[in-house]
Amino acid sequence: SQQGEEDPQALSIQEGENATMNCSYKTSINNLQWYRQNSGRGLVHLILIRSNEREKHSGRLRVTLDTSKKSSSLLITASRAADTASYFCATDRTSGSRLTFGEGTQLTVNP
Amino acid sequence: ETGVTQSPTHLIKTRGQQVTLRCSSQSGHNTVSWYQQALGQGPQFIFQYYREEENGRGNFPPRFSGLQFPNYSSELNVNALELDDSALYLCASTPAGPLSDTQYFGPGTRLTVL
Repeated sequence: SQQGEEDPQALSIQEGENATMNCSYKTSINNLQWYRQNSGRGLVHLILIRSNEREKHSGRLRVTLDTSKKSSSLLITASRAADTASYFCATDRTSGSRLTFGEGTQLTVNP
Repeated sequence: ETGVTQSPTHLIKTRGQQVTLRCSSQSGHNTVSWYQQALGQGPQFIFQYYREEENGRGNFPPRFSGLQFPNYSSELNVNALELDDSALYLCASTPAGPLSDTQYFGPGTRLTVL
């Protein structure tokens, strides 16, 4: 069963706009990671945030984590058509252990 | 590029057959995990190997089995294929040391069972 749930399931925006995706999970976690997947291909690791961190940045990505609400958000600023993909959050309970994924958000960035 | 490769890229089998999928990870990545991703869903954990020993298993039947070899390659074997086994199979490797929390995924093998 999936632990995480992404919201929204699908998001369509114009190039240059910001995209925000949310993820909720059910149990305590060690880390939360965000991955991108293009057209059913492999997963590309974007960013990892640890349970004792609240916010992390990487380029145009900003991730927040609220362990009291068991939720995370991924913000992509100044989106590009190349950002079109599915985005998944994944949690683990101990370092390097199994990842539990959500259902993903399908992001479409229109040129 | 994650340095994780998988073969074959695509595979078509018929129900009841057996299949072996292969994964090769970078030197020093001594943990490998396998996931099944059905169409439109998130990946589901099958099992994990650490230093050639099974180190955790998801909710998959025994006909899903695996091996990990000393050269950082691994295999996923599925016996008695069923139609519902049609999916993208992903392997992910984890480096030893301070980056050991991140799993790096290969491009996947698309299995179709007819």
